[in-house]
Amino acid sequence: QSALTQPASVSGSPGQSITISCTGTSSDVGAYNYVSWYQQHPGKAPKLMIYEVSNRPSGVSNRFSGSKSGNTASLTISGLQAEDEADYYCSSYTTSSTPLFGGGTKLTVL
Amino acid sequence: QVQLVQSGAEVKNPGASVKVSCKASGYRFTNYGINWVRQAPGQGPEWMGWNSAYNGNTNYAQRLQGRVTMTTDTSTSTAYMELRSLTSDDTALYYCARSAWGDGVDAFDVWGQGTMVTVSS
Repeated sequence: QSALTQPASVSGSPGQSITISCTGTSSDVGAYNYVSWYQQHPGKAPKLMIYEVSNRPSGVSNRFSGSKSGNTASLTISGLQAEDEADYYCSSYTTSSTPLFGGGTKLTVL
Repeated sequence: QVQLVQSGAEVKNPGASVKVSCKASGYRFTNYGINWVRQAPGQGPEWMGWNSAYNGNTNYAQRLQGRVTMTTDTSTSTAYMELRSLTSDDTALYYCARSAWGDGVDAFDVWGQGTMVTVSS
């Protein structure tokens, strides 16, 4: 299985909104509503930000939202803050009953 | 609080084996599966497999079948991951991560701090 496809980098200014895409196939993203998003700061473990496409775990800011259309999922961060600068990874459950991660997107807050 | 604490960094020669531990605390160990995820330098995460802390069942990534073994010790709430026949391609940061919903593998809500495994002669 190839990794899910994410843009290598995105950027935005404080207060703006950005969207990160995650493109898969009908065997993963398109097959189930089991897409998750993780935030990873340098030297830290990943943190779950979104599960089941659009649900936020307790404690995650409502500035983070997720959606999906067909084989592409998206993470939107509104009201961008300096602390949002990190790497973001998507993950999807697949028809092989295993999860598949994306290659990651580096978010830069200008 | 809920946490996973992993063993320390390892340096191994090619062809050797490594065993990483992951001690859970703050929750009922047998209620959640443990996954192992590795991340090579500058790369995205790669799911290695899942181990049920309830009954010991496992599901390994196909590309690692035959080289990896995941186990749990419920008496100490500790999970283990052993990887054999190491090559330089196995150099990575290895994480244990708790299944967010029982034994599912669709999301991981608690992560260990990571264990760096370096394979070099």
